[in-house]
Amino acid sequence: DTGVSQDPRHKITKRGQNVTFRCDPISEHNRLYWYRQTLGQGPEFLTYFQNEAQLEKSRLLSDRFSAERPKGSFSTLEIQRTEQGDSAMYLCASSRLGTGEGYGYTFGSGTRLTVV
Amino acid sequence: GEDVEQSLFLSVREGDSSVINCTYTDSSSTYLYWYKQEPGAGLQLLTYIFSNMDMKQDQRLTVLLNKKDKHLSLRIADTQTGDSAIYFCADPSGYALNFGKGTSLLVTP
Repeated sequence: DTGVSQDPRHKITKRGQNVTFRCDPISEHNRLYWYRQTLGQGPEFLTYFQNEAQLEKSRLLSDRFSAERPKGSFSTLEIQRTEQGDSAMYLCASSRLGTGEGYGYTFGSGTRLTVV
Repeated sequence: GEDVEQSLFLSVREGDSSVINCTYTDSSSTYLYWYKQEPGAGLQLLTYIFSNMDMKQDQRLTVLLNKKDKHLSLRIADTQTGDSAIYFCADPSGYALNFGKGTSLLVTP
């Protein structure tokens, strides 16, 4: 297992375009999280899946954002009508239910989005 | 990260000890975490401490927890240039982790 994979690593898009990011978690992990990190800040929680069910969404996740995890494996995060304020690093993390919270999450390397 | 506070910068000489401090507000947390982020990379879990412990040692890392004051610290012994990175304290809140803004550690030769 190579850990949590995110694709693409970098994305530059024009304002108003739609973008989609993909996250492949560690295969035996049934919990998946999306976070956003802007420059000089810590990661901020966006949303959480347990298997295919989206159980929690942050108020940061506006109507332009949607996340899916159709078969409880990989997940996608789509941003519609991108704005310059969406420029950030989007981080995916996964963890395994029942291992104890002490294991924390395993994060991917992130997708850096630049909206021009 | 509004509920987790960290100092923003720390500079130490190679071989010295580094101490990074954090205060948090959610007193119900079972575990508290320290993550490391190198430039352009994701976050790497460094260590964690169970809330009923005062101290945890893991090789060069020592975590101290003062639950009464909601204060967490990370001590790195014999700091190396490869330890230069941003260090985040994280406090669970429901399913999410609340992160501080991170402490940027610079290790000079």
